[in-house]
Amino acid sequence: AQSVTQLDSHVSVSEGTPVLLRCNYSSSYSPSLFWYVQHPNKGLQLLLKYTSAATLVKGINGFEAEFKKSETSFHLTKPSAHMSDAAEYFCVVSDRDDYKLSFGAGTTVTVRA
Amino acid sequence: DVKVTQSSRYLVKRTGEKVFLECVQDMDHENMFWYRQDPGLGLRLIYFSYDVKMKEKGDIPEGYSVSREKKERFSLILESASTNQTSMYLCASSRDSSNEKLFFGSGTQLSVL
Repeated sequence: AQSVTQLDSHVSVSEGTPVLLRCNYSSSYSPSLFWYVQHPNKGLQLLLKYTSAATLVKGINGFEAEFKKSETSFHLTKPSAHMSDAAEYFCVVSDRDDYKLSFGAGTTVTVRA
Repeated sequence: DVKVTQSSRYLVKRTGEKVFLECVQDMDHENMFWYRQDPGLGLRLIYFSYDVKMKEKGDIPEGYSVSREKKERFSLILESASTNQTSMYLCASSRDSSNEKLFFGSGTQLSVL
């Protein structure tokens, strides 16, 4: 069985500064990993995914994440935060044997002007 | 773009009522899912369906049932609503069993009084 731990429930950054959202996973098999974003009163939207190709994955809106097997991590970063990045972010893992998804508890990002 | 539509944004029901949550997707996706979202717990899978008239239990199916009579529609049913079922309910669909990209509805906030 797989699971995900998002290490921070809340992250606050100033506009224009870097954002780091931390995610650790456990998986019995080769995992697929995802980050989803949920803006207020909206459904979740896929930001990026890792499915076994390049370990550094680029997503929408300037976000990227790096898969590190030795550290079982998939941290999400963005070099310069924008006010529109204020949202809740979910790290998700899927085992490739049954493709069931396990969601982390979420990290709420606030961006200060 | 895929559209996943949930029929109600907010619902208020009384304990013991039968509640129907409806979800429709417009891109002929095979797979549909119902999640509930609670603060600090992320998303938890209630039921999913990989085909018409087919359903499988997720991680927290107790107190819920589902119906998929047509490919585009997936209904969640609370047979006898209870206060611990107060939550945000999210419907999602995906094209195939790899679940590499889920498309989410905007959610239904259900309050059971």
